Amino acid sequence: AQSVTQPDIHITVSEGASLELRCNYSYGATPYLFWYVQSPGQGLQLLLKYFSGDTLVQGIKGFEAEFKRSQSSFNLRKPSVHWSDAAEYFCAVVPWDSSYKLIFGSGTRLLVRP
Amino acid sequence: GAGVSQSPSNKVTEKGKDVELRCDPISGHTALYWYRQRLGQGLEFLIYFQGNSAPDKSGLPSDRFSAERTGESVSTLTIQRTQQEDSAVYLCASSSHGGREDTQYFGPGTRLTVL
Repeated sequence: AQSVTQPDIHITVSEGASLELRCNYSYGATPYLFWYVQSPGQGLQLLLKYFSGDTLVQGIKGFEAEFKRSQSSFNLRKPSVHWSDAAEYFCAVVPWDSSYKLIFGSGTRLLVRP
Repeated sequence: GAGVSQSPSNKVTEKGKDVELRCDPISGHTALYWYRQRLGQGLEFLIYFQGNSAPDKSGLPSDRFSAERTGESVSTLTIQRTQQEDSAVYLCASSSHGGREDTQYFGPGTRLTVL
C-alpha cells in the first residue's frame, strides 16, 4: 500500500548535538517530498521540499534533507540542534499520480535537552 | 492578511450538535485545502477547492461532513450531528494555484472537542 512512514515517534537530543529524522515512502514512482514542522499552538511550516535534481536539499532554519532513491528515504538532518527546534516534524509526499494531495507521515516529536 | 487564519481556535460541542469551522486563505490564493489531524497522528486530506472547479471531496469521511467556498475567498467546513470520533484539529491550507510544486501554507487550526 502507498504510505509514508516515520519510524520514530519521539526523539530526544541534547542541545548542540546533531539530528537525523527518518522518513520512508512506499510509492511506485518518486513522489514530491516535503518536510514540515509544527510548533505548539502554531500551524505547519514548510522546512524544505524535493522535486528533482540535486538529492541534497537545503531548507530554512539550518535544516537539510537527502533523497535516496535506492532506500525510498528522505531523511531530515541538522548538524547542531537548538532548544527552539523542539517541535513535531512531519514528512509528506504528493504522489506522482496526484496534483495536490499531501500525504503525511504520523510525525516525530523532537525533544531537546538543555 | 499575512497568512491563513482559522476560527474559532477552539470549539467544544456536545455529541449530536452541528459545528461550522471557518478558514480565510491568503489573499490571491486560488487553491484551498482542509485536513484533519487526530491526536498523535499525521494529517488526513479532507477536501480541495481550486478556483471555480468542482471540489475534490474524496477525503470527507462521511456525509455528515461538507464544505463550501465562495469564489476564491472564505471556506467553511460543516460537521453535522457531531460524534466523539470527530474530535481532532482541523487545519486549513491555501496555495497560489494548486499544482504539485505549489507550497501549501497552513493556518493554526481549529481544535474540535466533542463531548
